[in-house]
Formats: sequence, C-alpha cells, structure tokens
Amino acid sequence: QQQVKQSPQSLIVQKGGISIINCAYENTAFDYFPWYQQFPGKGPALLIAIRPDVSEKKEGRFTISFNKSAKQFSLHIMDSQPGDSATYFCAAYLWGKLQFGAGTQVVVTP
Amino acid sequence: GAVVSQHPSRVICKSGTSVKIECRSLDFQATTMFWYRQFPKQSLMLMATSNEGSKATYEQGVEKDKFLINHASLTLSTLTVTSAHPEDSSFYICSASKGEDGYTFGSGTRLTVV
Repeated sequence: QQQVKQSPQSLIVQKGGISIINCAYENTAFDYFPWYQQFPGKGPALLIAIRPDVSEKKEGRFTISFNKSAKQFSLHIMDSQPGDSATYFCAAYLWGKLQFGAGTQVVVTP
Repeated sequence: GAVVSQHPSRVICKSGTSVKIECRSLDFQATTMFWYRQFPKQSLMLMATSNEGSKATYEQGVEKDKFLINHASLTLSTLTVTSAHPEDSSFYICSASKGEDGYTFGSGTRLTVV
C-alpha cells in the first residue's frame, strides 16, 4: 500500500516553463518531507525538503508548497531546463524510514 | 557534504552464484544504513534496515536468507545476494543516515543474473 501518492506519473514541459509535481499522504505522523531527483542509472539525490510546520520553502528554482490541512505537498520547478530532465520522488519520513512516492518522470524539451 | 560510495556499479553473475555489494559512508559515521531495490520505472522499495553491530531488520516479503546484510562498522554495510537467479536482476541502492535530515544515497548497483 502506497502511503505517499504522487502525480503525475510523467510530465513534459518546455524549457523555461514550470514543472509541478503533487504528493498526498494519509499519516499525519509523518514529520519530514524530502524530494529526491534521480537520473538514469544513478541513486537519488536530495533536492529540497520541508517540515510540516512550514508552508513553503524555496531553494533556487525549486519550491516546496506544503498544505498540512489537506495533507498535500508539491514541488514546483521554475524556469525548467533540459538538465532538469529526471525522475522526481517525493517522500515522507516516519520512525526512521522514508516512504517514497511512485515517482514522476519529467522531460524538459528544448 | 555526506558522501556514500557504493560498489560495484554494475555486476553480471551466473545463476546460482553469490554477489556482494558494498556501501560505504566516506565522511561520516552511519549508525543506520538502508538497502533498496528498484525495478525499471518504479519507485524505491525498502528491503532492509541495518544498524551497526546488530542484525538487519527486513521488510515483509524480503527473504533474509537470500539477501544477507552485514553492517560490521559505522562506515560499511554489505548486501550479499546468495544463489542469485534471473529474477534477482535489479537496481540495488543503499543509503546511509545520520538522522532524518541526513539520508544520502549511493549511486546504485545494476545486478544482472544470467
């Protein structure tokens, strides 16, 4: 059973556009929500993370929006670049373990 | 920053043989390490959690006798796939933790069993 639901499964965006990936969770005990970026044949790399007491966090072109009451959080990639083409995973942390979403494959066209 | 080294990056083995994958935290001590399995275009599936000096905790459905995990030191954990079969072919990824803010992943190992 997927404890963190992620959508869309794939996304195509033009260079300079905004990529938006959404995640939802059920367990209100989750207390840390990271996003990971994974390139083919590589391990995931931490992109940005947020705690539930914060509604938004921005790092460069990447922004997490967090809605605690709706139990949803999203990743916005501004000014998307071809180098951002990768698979993105949201995750939620509880009791020493990360629960991953299913992943979103993002393709940024030139 | 925290660096986790995983070796080998690719391995091909014959069916019935065993393969060992190493995961090292290079610049920090990892009290906990995790092993994941990832199928093509799918998410990471946690296989087991290993704590230094104690037995690994396996997730439901993971055969502990097939996937042997050893966490002998604060910087090294190994995963041994015993008596490998083609269905064990997958991408295996380790991660090391210093706490919830410190999950660092290795670069993964592509295992192909022929």
